Amino acid sequence: DGGITQSPKYLFRKEGQNVTLSCEQNLNHDAMYWYRQDPGQGLRLIYYSQIVNDFQKGDIAEGYSVSREKKESFPLTVTSAQKNPTAFYLCASSIDPSGQQTEAFFGQGTRLTVV
Amino acid sequence: AQKVTQAQTEISVVEKEDVTLDCVYETRDTTYYLFWYKQPPSGELVFLIRRNSFDEQNEISGRYSWNFQKSTSSFNFTITASQVVDSAVYFCALSEADLSGGYQKVTFGTGTKLQVIP
Repeated sequence: DGGITQSPKYLFRKEGQNVTLSCEQNLNHDAMYWYRQDPGQGLRLIYYSQIVNDFQKGDIAEGYSVSREKKESFPLTVTSAQKNPTAFYLCASSIDPSGQQTEAFFGQGTRLTVV
Repeated sequence: AQKVTQAQTEISVVEKEDVTLDCVYETRDTTYYLFWYKQPPSGELVFLIRRNSFDEQNEISGRYSWNFQKSTSSFNFTITASQVVDSAVYFCALSEADLSGGYQKVTFGTGTKLQVIP
């Protein structure tokens, strides 16, 4: 089935460690996104990519990094510079690179906890 | 700056009741899109509807209906005869043109958690 796969579903990180969240899609979508969800705060955009080998910062990019070497993959690294990384992370994709014309498809999320 | 307000944080209804989820938005653009997504306990957001700013027709899809009113900048969502499976967090979102062109940012509201009690 076509869709977006995020892994792992749960991730625990020690303070000072970098961790990488995986996001893979087989929908042949050009655009991919990473969002962070905190309780009572909706979704906030971390990074987005409209095309392979290109990505842009969103509203809360500090402490995060991404790569887009393949159309199907858009991994997110949470670095030690991210002061409050505990959150639910959602990856999404859309067929329209502008992000406006079509809906986004979401993965099931990764819940990251700093221990 | 664009903004989406979902003033209802949590709503509880008894099964078979009708329920309306409110969404109020702010934008300076004349061209924009509004969305509703459902987030069940499994976590992924599921797309429900997209409406562009030039189409004020209300829409009905089964038990779901949407009321778009530009005069009050609202895009409300009604579930008729609610069911336990409707229990989820519902997000309203707005997309307008980015000033520099290219990607057009989507702003999400803070969500409304709906609990349908059997």
